[in-house]
Amino acid sequence: EPEVTQTPSHQVTQMGQEVILRCVPISNHLYFYWYRQILGQKVEFLVSFYNNEISEKSEIFDDQFSVERPDGSNFTLKIRSTKLEDSAMYFCASSSGQSSYEQYFGPGTRLTVT
Amino acid sequence: AQSVTQLGSHVSVSEGALVLLRCNYSSSVPPYLFWYVQYPNQGLQLLLKYTTGATLVKGINGFEAEFKKSETSFHLTKPSAHMSDAAEYFCAVSPNRDDKIIFGKGTRLHILP
Repeated sequence: EPEVTQTPSHQVTQMGQEVILRCVPISNHLYFYWYRQILGQKVEFLVSFYNNEISEKSEIFDDQFSVERPDGSNFTLKIRSTKLEDSAMYFCASSSGQSSYEQYFGPGTRLTVT
Repeated sequence: AQSVTQLGSHVSVSEGALVLLRCNYSSSVPPYLFWYVQYPNQGLQLLLKYTTGATLVKGINGFEAEFKKSETSFHLTKPSAHMSDAAEYFCAVSPNRDDKIIFGKGTRLHILP
């Protein structure tokens, strides 16, 4: 069964450093999303992406964040200058744009900022 | 704005007993409703969803949920709990197809032997 994959599974970085989180969505899907889950808290929407542009972003998704689909298969989330409060599990998701209404989630990348 | 409230951050049931996880939502438009499950150190897996039509929705692993518009609820049930059901369960709502999903805070289900 097709699945969303994410790399790395765990990323440790120092405050102020740039990080790139990578996702490979399901191949025929058209909509892509990033969510994050701070430890012990709920899953929060960050951004959605369709037709090579951002379709919606939350107030969390400030100028430090960017997304890109560089090659038609990967979908990346970049944090330019990480802060301690960026430590969280980051989930990528994709949906087909057809009738299923389902978003398929990847296993997540745990980002630890020290 | 849409929101989801899950009553009880932790729920414990005995193996074989009924599982009931409560979820209420607020939405200004007819919502799409979901239950996701998260096993330890894993991603989110869709249990079931309500979009339109029949209000009693059956999902995987024997779970079902009923959409009650008058009560703005979408409670999750399973007649007989198994040890393997121990996980975190998230109720979620979306305003449109392929739109962002808004999650509740989650309920951790503990199964007692």
